[in-house]
Amino acid sequence: GAVVSQHPSWVICKSGTSVKIECRSLDFQATTMFWYRQFPKQSLMLMATSNEGSKATYEQGVEKDKFLINHASLTLSTLTVTSAHPEDSSFYICSARAGASNSPLHFGNGTRLTVT
Amino acid sequence: SQKIEQNSEALNIQEGKTATLTCNYTNYSPAYLQWYRQDPGRGPVFLLLIRENEKEKRKERLKVTFDTTLKQSLFHITASQPADSATYLCVQRGHNNDMRFGAGTRLTVKP
Repeated sequence: GAVVSQHPSWVICKSGTSVKIECRSLDFQATTMFWYRQFPKQSLMLMATSNEGSKATYEQGVEKDKFLINHASLTLSTLTVTSAHPEDSSFYICSARAGASNSPLHFGNGTRLTVT
Repeated sequence: SQKIEQNSEALNIQEGKTATLTCNYTNYSPAYLQWYRQDPGRGPVFLLLIRENEKEKRKERLKVTFDTTLKQSLFHITASQPADSATYLCVQRGHNNDMRFGAGTRLTVKP
């Protein structure tokens, strides 16, 4: 149980275009979802926290107008990278939590974004 | 500043030995620690959670300790196998629900 599906697993896009990444909890309702980016050989960097039905909370230094997060239902959150640039190329991962704050995080398998 | 550090970027051990990974923190008091395994190109997978009032947790060949005096958590894999090779992440959660991720330790178990 507790499967999180992230789609697409990889995407290549041209500079200036927008890319949407989906994160779905398949067999549980996720009250909270998190979005991260990870550079090679580095730790996960939390970008934002989203709760269903409310605006996402962004970490310091993350542009909310560039990284649009929508958490419209208890099983789906989306991250849209708008006007992507080569420096946005990274590994983006989502995680979802079903219950209390100490519940384990269930991660998607990530999306490799390459902006050319 | 508040920091979380994992002992080394990489750890190489021989099959059958015990792997010990370290997670240290400064200027911070986590309510609990979680350990995750991450394989290349995949998302992390939850392994164990230990609370601040717990000294030790075990799960099969895995053991986690939490020493609030030393501000340190140790993660042990006994009877290590090549299949245990992965990056292991320490994640700390504070009393106000903030999270901190360690950079991870890449473990390689050689046959």
